Amino acid sequence: NAGVTQTPKFQVLKTGQSMTLQCAQDMNHNSMYWYRQDPGMGLRLIYYSASEGTTDKGEVPNGYNVSRLNKREFSLRLESAAPSQTSVYFCASSEDLNVGVHQPQHFGDGTRLSIL
Amino acid sequence: GENVEQHPSTLSVQEGDSAVIKCTYSDSASNYFPWYKQELGKRPQLIIDIRSNVGEKKDQRIAVTLNKTAKHFSLHITETQPEDSAVYFCAASPRGGAQKLVFGQGTRLTINP
Repeated sequence: NAGVTQTPKFQVLKTGQSMTLQCAQDMNHNSMYWYRQDPGMGLRLIYYSASEGTTDKGEVPNGYNVSRLNKREFSLRLESAAPSQTSVYFCASSEDLNVGVHQPQHFGDGTRLSIL
Repeated sequence: GENVEQHPSTLSVQEGDSAVIKCTYSDSASNYFPWYKQELGKRPQLIIDIRSNVGEKKDQRIAVTLNKTAKHFSLHITETQPEDSAVYFCAASPRGGAQKLVFGQGTRLTINP
């Protein structure tokens, strides 16, 4: 099993350009997440999807949109990239067993995004 | 919402000594507390987690303790080795249907040979 796969691994954009970050998991997990990681600030949740067909905002959703395409795939879109969105983006997934019983989140390798 | 504070931000210890990293959380309803290790340029990887119905959990050289009354939890690494050098993150998950995590700011641990 590959686990959580993110593409691309690196990307450089110009201010105002758009792009979509792709994430796929092969663990049959219900829940998927997008985080950004900036120096000294840990990981911050952008959006999450508790199940196929649902998405919700996290701590820092402004400037982003997401799509839960199917159970396996969860994409993150930057419509008009800004330098403040330069970061490392991680996708994660977790298995739901029972409501309120948390399960470990498994992370992908990340996408390093620079916006000039 | 939940807020997680992590200390220290950097920690340097001699090989073979113990390392302790501490986190506090604000939401008394939080009930799941994982710890992740992240090596340079790599993904965060879960090393241990604890739920609110347990006070301590051990896995070989790693242990986590939880004090619900004081709302803090700690990671203890004994007999440290050079491969323990990494950034460690604590996190807390508020009770509820969605499995959201709120992370601390991270601790850069360096093991000196």
